[in-house]
Amino acid sequence: NSKVIQTPRYLVKGQGQKAKMRCIPEKGHPVVFWYQQNKNNEFKFLINFQNQEVLQQIDMTEKRFSAECPSNSPCSLEIQSSEAGDSALYLCASSRDWGEEQYFGPGTRLTVL
Amino acid sequence: GDSVTQTEGLVTLTKGLPVMLNCTYQTTYSPFLFWYVQHLNEAPKLLLKSSTDNKRTEHQGFYATLHKSSSSFHLQKSSVQLSDSALYFCALSGNYNVLYFGSGTKLTVEP
Repeated sequence: NSKVIQTPRYLVKGQGQKAKMRCIPEKGHPVVFWYQQNKNNEFKFLINFQNQEVLQQIDMTEKRFSAECPSNSPCSLEIQSSEAGDSALYLCASSRDWGEEQYFGPGTRLTVL
Repeated sequence: GDSVTQTEGLVTLTKGLPVMLNCTYQTTYSPFLFWYVQHLNEAPKLLLKSSTDNKRTEHQGFYATLHKSSSSFHLQKSSVQLSDSALYFCALSGNYNVLYFGSGTKLTVEP
């Protein structure tokens, strides 16, 4: 069973507000991914890290989204100015190494009113 | 680019019957395929994985074989149970190990 911890489980924000969610990857997993799962259950990759370094991120992440994985602290994903279209389940996943399977946390369900 | 296609959006079966969920993929890399299962309000959980051509992989009664010749990784089970009702996603590991997911298949098993 996955030991990826995500907080909070539910987050409600108004449009224009900041929304921040956190992820503690499984112990010993230096590779971390963030995905967005929309109401149609479609997954979209947002950003990934190896240790504290960003490896790849999509354009959306570059503009309104910010993320970090500091040493000895939870990883975080923050939306600077929430929009209604950001309402989704945000999933964090971690893996032991490149090419290894990813283990997912339960997600943070963001609702933007 | 990398992509995964799942043709069945909804599958409804009676308990005890066999099931096959289709998955085909496109990639320019050496394929590494996964099946994840997601129960309501839970995390996607890894069910199966494979990067070996023509080798069957099994877990919890589910099985799949990666066929590179047909770019397929179909999920099968010989006898579904009520607890198998869930969303099933096929995924492909692409560049930087980013997962590309199919659109998912909702499996409902009836008594």
